[in-house]
Amino acid sequence: DTGVSQNPRHKITKRGQNVTFRCDPISEHNRLYWYRQTLGQGPEFLTYFQNEAQLEKSRLLSDRFSAERPKGSFSTLEIQRTEQGDSAMYLCASSLNTGGWLVENTEAFFGQGTRLTVV
Amino acid sequence: AQTVTQSQPEMSVQEAETVTLSCTYDTSESDYYLFWYKQPPSRQMILVIRQEAYKQQNATENRFSVNFQKAAKSFSLKISDSQLGDAAMYFCAYRSEWGGSEKLVFGKGTKLTVNP
Repeated sequence: DTGVSQNPRHKITKRGQNVTFRCDPISEHNRLYWYRQTLGQGPEFLTYFQNEAQLEKSRLLSDRFSAERPKGSFSTLEIQRTEQGDSAMYLCASSLNTGGWLVENTEAFFGQGTRLTVV
Repeated sequence: AQTVTQSQPEMSVQEAETVTLSCTYDTSESDYYLFWYKQPPSRQMILVIRQEAYKQQNATENRFSVNFQKAAKSFSLKISDSQLGDAAMYFCAYRSEWGGSEKLVFGKGTKLTVNP
């Protein structure tokens, strides 16, 4: 198991273009999260999936953002018509939730992130 | 909504010395979890230590320990015998026990520098 993998690591795009990021979680993990981290800030929650179902979306996730996890494995985050304010590190995390209450069973593991720069 | 505040944007410590990073949080919930995450430059965030709010005993993990003051809503991290590899951004995070998503609410982070 190689941990949570995110691709690409870096993306530079022109304003107005569409971009897509991919996250491959730890294989047996059923929960997948997307966070956004801007310079000087901590990560902010965007959305999460339980298997293939997207169960919660933050108000930060505007209509230009869409996330999918089609088969409950990898996930993609697409940003349409990028704006300079979208420049940030996009972090993916995964966890295994077995329905138990022990927090040790639900630790979130993070990927290295995709750094997006919109010029 | 819950908030997490880290009032120290930067801290420095001499190698082998002890440093304490501060964190306060605001919540109306009684059951929750608190975490400290470490984010080294260009590397993924990793969990350093966790604390369940219902536990009175402070969590410890080797050189890392916390001072959890529930009434004061304070959750500081103490790093003993600091090592060069401890240099990183440290984030304090809150997670509700209820609500289902297990999403984390992070503070802005503290950049720790370890001087040789």
